[in-house]
Amino acid sequence: DTAVSQTPKYLVTQMGNDKSIKCEQNLGHDTMYWYKQDSKKFLKIMFSYNNKELIINETVPNRFSPKSPDKAHLNLHINSLELGDSAVYFCASSQELLGFKGNEQFFGPGTRLTVL
Amino acid sequence: DAKTTQPPSMDCAEGRAANLPCNHSTISGNEYVYWYRQIHSQGPQYIIHGLKNNETNEMASLIITEDRKSSTLILPHATLRDTAVYYCIVSRDTGGFKTIFGAGTRLFVKA
Repeated sequence: DTAVSQTPKYLVTQMGNDKSIKCEQNLGHDTMYWYKQDSKKFLKIMFSYNNKELIINETVPNRFSPKSPDKAHLNLHINSLELGDSAVYFCASSQELLGFKGNEQFFGPGTRLTVL
Repeated sequence: DAKTTQPPSMDCAEGRAANLPCNHSTISGNEYVYWYRQIHSQGPQYIIHGLKNNETNEMASLIITEDRKSSTLILPHATLRDTAVYYCIVSRDTGGFKTIFGAGTRLFVKA
């Protein structure tokens, strides 16, 4: 069974479109994250949700809106896509907020978004 | 969160130990040292973490210096499947933190 799953794996779209990426974890974790990995392979946190509550929002444009319908899901909706949004987006989860009592994160396989 | 510095790449012969260093000279007392790796086109994978004592699990060992300003990840018997980018990060034991994976160390395990 996949611990953290994301759909779709690949997403190719035109500038200006709106798209969503879905994430689900079956680990029973309380905290979920979205990361963006750019072309230089730097992985940066975008959002973190703990028990469906937004904890971290790291200077991400408001075109990006995370939605957590329940603890097991954290979806990422992106409005008015731009060329610079092209990247690999990773979802992750952990039992508690990373760093607290040193718990670990589990990552999904990633979604490669290409904006044309 | 404290910044980390890692060499950009390293080579290791298959079957030998791979020792990956990480400097975190600005680490504070409540920050953990984490190691993750990312195999090409896959999501990052947790390896090990520690606070101040050395740690060992089925994947690797983590050696943290007494002053905690640096650490070394040891893969005791590297295999070709260990070829990946290895990230060392530090994160404090409270909420509201930032986690930024830097460039990491690209480890090449050669036959």
